[in-house]
Amino acid sequence: AQTVTQSQPEMSVQEAETVTLSCTYDTSESDYYLFWYKQPPSRQMILVIRQEAYKQQNATENRFSVNFQKAAKSFSLKISDSQLGDAAMYFCAFTDSNYQLIWGAGTKLIIKP
Amino acid sequence: SQTIHQWPATLVQPVGSPLSLECTVEGTSNPNLYWYRQAAGRGLQLLFYSVGIGQISSEVPQNLSASRPQDRQFILSSKKLLLSDSGFYLCAWSVHSNQPQHFGDGTRLSIL
Repeated sequence: AQTVTQSQPEMSVQEAETVTLSCTYDTSESDYYLFWYKQPPSRQMILVIRQEAYKQQNATENRFSVNFQKAAKSFSLKISDSQLGDAAMYFCAFTDSNYQLIWGAGTKLIIKP
Repeated sequence: SQTIHQWPATLVQPVGSPLSLECTVEGTSNPNLYWYRQAAGRGLQLLFYSVGIGQISSEVPQNLSASRPQDRQFILSSKKLLLSDSGFYLCAWSVHSNQPQHFGDGTRLSIL
């Protein structure tokens, strides 16, 4: 079965510091897409970053970057210079063979001022 | 630019009553459309997706149904709500199945 595991139910970081959220997944596909979404208390789901599995280069988006290890099926998210507005639930997801998203259970990120 | 509208934001319904949640997308044509349910503190569960008018795929057998009467309109329905239908419902769209999905603001459904 295709699954996503986010092993950290909750993480906290001091404002302005760096934090890494982990994600592992299981699939037999060779071509797929991976995503990180954030869901602030407002509950709106917002795309953070996207990675194509066929690309070796790690995606970056301003303060957000990923460490994609295809062989290990690992897709962690690094947030640099954490800001109070980064506080949210973060979800890792990837596309299955039908290109539907398989979601992790989420990691709650707390930013300490 | 593309926008997605989902309503209502909050809904309280008695057990056994019908349900209709609506979602519309503006600024794009023939989008893929999705309905998800999110239990408290959990990830998203895909309920239905549609790649075109009248084309609905169901991922989870349940008390709910979906329809796509127009290209950019996606409706989630139930004839008789159950207590287990409570949750947070999200509508989303994408240009293609391998492209990022963009979400509406969600509907918090409480069943009494």
